[in-house]
Amino acid sequence: AQKVTQTQTSISVMEKTTVTMDCVYETQDSSYFLFWYKQTASGEIVFLIRQDSYKKENATVGHYSLNFQKPKSSIGLIITATQIEDSAVYFCAMRDHNNNAPRFGAGTKLTVKP
Amino acid sequence: EAAVTQSPRNKVAVTGGKVTLSCNQTNNHNNMYWYRQDTGHGLRLIHYSYGAGSTEKGDIPDGYKASRPSQENFSLILELATPSQTSVYFCASGDAGDEQYFGPGTRLTVL
Repeated sequence: AQKVTQTQTSISVMEKTTVTMDCVYETQDSSYFLFWYKQTASGEIVFLIRQDSYKKENATVGHYSLNFQKPKSSIGLIITATQIEDSAVYFCAMRDHNNNAPRFGAGTKLTVKP
Repeated sequence: EAAVTQSPRNKVAVTGGKVTLSCNQTNNHNNMYWYRQDTGHGLRLIHYSYGAGSTEKGDIPDGYKASRPSQENFSLILELATPSQTSVYFCASGDAGDEQYFGPGTRLTVL
């Protein structure tokens, strides 16, 4: 069975700094897909970035990047040069190759202070 | 642009009543999902569908039914609503292996 764990309930950082949010997952599959989503204060949930398990290179999109450590079943989200508008709840999700229903972690609330 | 809509956006129901939450997507995605969001639990999977006529149980299906009458529409049905089903419900669509597109959510309160 798939399981996704985010142990950081909340993080607070100063603007323009770098933050890393942790996520570990469990799966029996050798092939799987990992995703990060952002939920804004309005409740909107949007996709940010993904990592396919067979890819060794860490994904990067804008000021978001991933730290994929497959042996540790870990997929950290790194946000560089944080901005006030990065304040949100961030969810990690995983879908294995044989199951089309992604599972989510509990989320990490990020607060970026000026 | 991908679009997922949900109705109603807010709903107050009485215990024992029937509630239907509706979801429509214009993305032509095969897969659709229903999640509920509660503090401390993130998004938990209730039901999902691979296409019209298909429904599958997720991790917390008890007390919920789902219906997928067409590619575009996916409904979540609470036959006998209970206060424990008070939550925010999100619908999403997305093809296999790809990211999901979420609706705006429905806030359900069961009194």
